[in-house]
Amino acid sequence: QQQVKQSPQSLIVQKGGISIINCAYENTAFDYFPWYQQFPGKGPALLIAIRPDVSEKKEGRFTISFNKSAKQFSLHIMDSQPGDSATYFCAASKGGSNSGYALNFGKGTSLLVTP
Amino acid sequence: NAGVTQTPKFQVLKTGQSMTLQCAQDMNHNSMYWYRQDPGMGLRLIYYSASEGTTDKGEVPNGYNVSRLNKREFSLRLESAAPSQTSVYFCASKGYGYTFGSGTRLTVV
Repeated sequence: QQQVKQSPQSLIVQKGGISIINCAYENTAFDYFPWYQQFPGKGPALLIAIRPDVSEKKEGRFTISFNKSAKQFSLHIMDSQPGDSATYFCAASKGGSNSGYALNFGKGTSLLVTP
Repeated sequence: NAGVTQTPKFQVLKTGQSMTLQCAQDMNHNSMYWYRQDPGMGLRLIYYSASEGTTDKGEVPNGYNVSRLNKREFSLRLESAAPSQTSVYFCASKGYGYTFGSGTRLTVV
């Protein structure tokens, strides 16, 4: 059973536009929500992450918006660039450092930013 | 460079053959994980090890075994490979955040 649902499956955005990817989760015990970026032939790399005590986190052009009551979170990429073309995964886990709690991933969104 | 190292990077197996995928991390992390990635499926957890000496099943453990050899190393074994195990396998470790290896691309024919 998929614990994290991600949409859309693919996304095409023009250079300079805003890319938006959405995720929803079921398990209210989740308290760590990261986004990963993956380029072909590479492993996922952490892009940005949020905990449910805040509703928004911004790092450069990347912003996570978090809605605890709706159990939804989203990634916004402002001023999208061709170099942002990659697959993006949302994930969720029960947090705590050095715990065994694993990440539960969405199915991924393939983003293409056109020149 | 600190990180997670996986070997081999590529492997082709015949149905029924066995092999072990190796993973090592040098960040002194307690928790380690094995995921498989299939097109359109995201990453699915196979097994994890919360600490040295412990292992637990994840979402898709059938057909796999693991060994947490020491704090650094966590191996994944396929005893009798099947075409359904054709996938890209990622090892990860967790400290403050999760760090992934570069993956092993396995094809079973």
